[in-house]
Amino acid sequence: DIQMTQSPSSLSASVGDRVTITCQASQDITNYLSWYQQKPGRAPKLLIYDASNLETGVPSRFSGSASGTDFTLTISSLQPEDSATYYCQQYDNVPLSFGGGTKVEI
Amino acid sequence: QEQLVQSGAEVKKPGSSVKVSCKASGDIFNNHGVTWVRQAPGQGLEWVGGIIPTFGTTNYEQRFQGRLTIIADKSTNTAYMELSGLKSDDTAVYYCAAGGPNYCRGGTCYSGAADYWGQGTLVTVSS
Repeated sequence: DIQMTQSPSSLSASVGDRVTITCQASQDITNYLSWYQQKPGRAPKLLIYDASNLETGVPSRFSGSASGTDFTLTISSLQPEDSATYYCQQYDNVPLSFGGGTKVEI
Repeated sequence: QEQLVQSGAEVKKPGSSVKVSCKASGDIFNNHGVTWVRQAPGQGLEWVGGIIPTFGTTNYEQRFQGRLTIIADKSTNTAYMELSGLKSDDTAVYYCAAGGPNYCRGGTCYSGAADYWGQGTLVTVSS
C-alpha cells in the first residue's frame, strides 16, 4: 500500500503570507495526487487534481507542484477564509490513501 | 450542478449493521465512480472503498473486507455503503464522493479525485 506523509501537521501564518504544505509518497505515484480543503463540520473540497491542475472555481492563489515523489501545495497570499485543514490524496492505485492533514491557522 | 445527498445520522449497537445511502441529483453515476471516505471524530480522512456503477467493479480497503458492501442502483442514481459487525471505532462521519475520472490498473477500476461530495452521515456505534 502507498503511504502519504504530509507535513507540517499544523501551522500558523498571517494574512498575505506564502504558505507551503508538502506530501511525500512512499513510492512513485506519477502525478496522481489531489489536494483537498476541509473546514470544520464540512465535507472536503477539491482544490487541485493531477498534482498541479486547479479545480474550476478555486482561487488562483492555490497551486500544486510535483518533484518525484514529493508534492507541494502553495497558497501564495493567505486569506482569512483559507483557515482550514488540508489533505493530500494519492489515486495512483487502490487502496487510495490520504496524508495526515495540515491544519492552517491564521 | 451535481449534488450528492446522503441519508441521516444513525446510532447503532456494537455488532449490528448500518446502511448509508447517497443519492445523486443527476446521472453522474453513468460516467463516474463513487468513493466512500470516513472521518472519525477529530481525525483525518480515511478511504473506505468505491464502486464504478457502469463497470460494476468494487474496491474495498483491506481492513474492511468481509464487513463492507458497496452497491449502486443506476435506476435511482443511488449508491449504498453497508458496514456490518460494527465496533466503537467505526464511529465516524461517512462521506460519499463522485465526479472524478475512472482509472483501471492491474485488473481493477476505481475512481480518482472527486469534485462532488455528500454532506456526510454521522454513524455512532455505542452500547
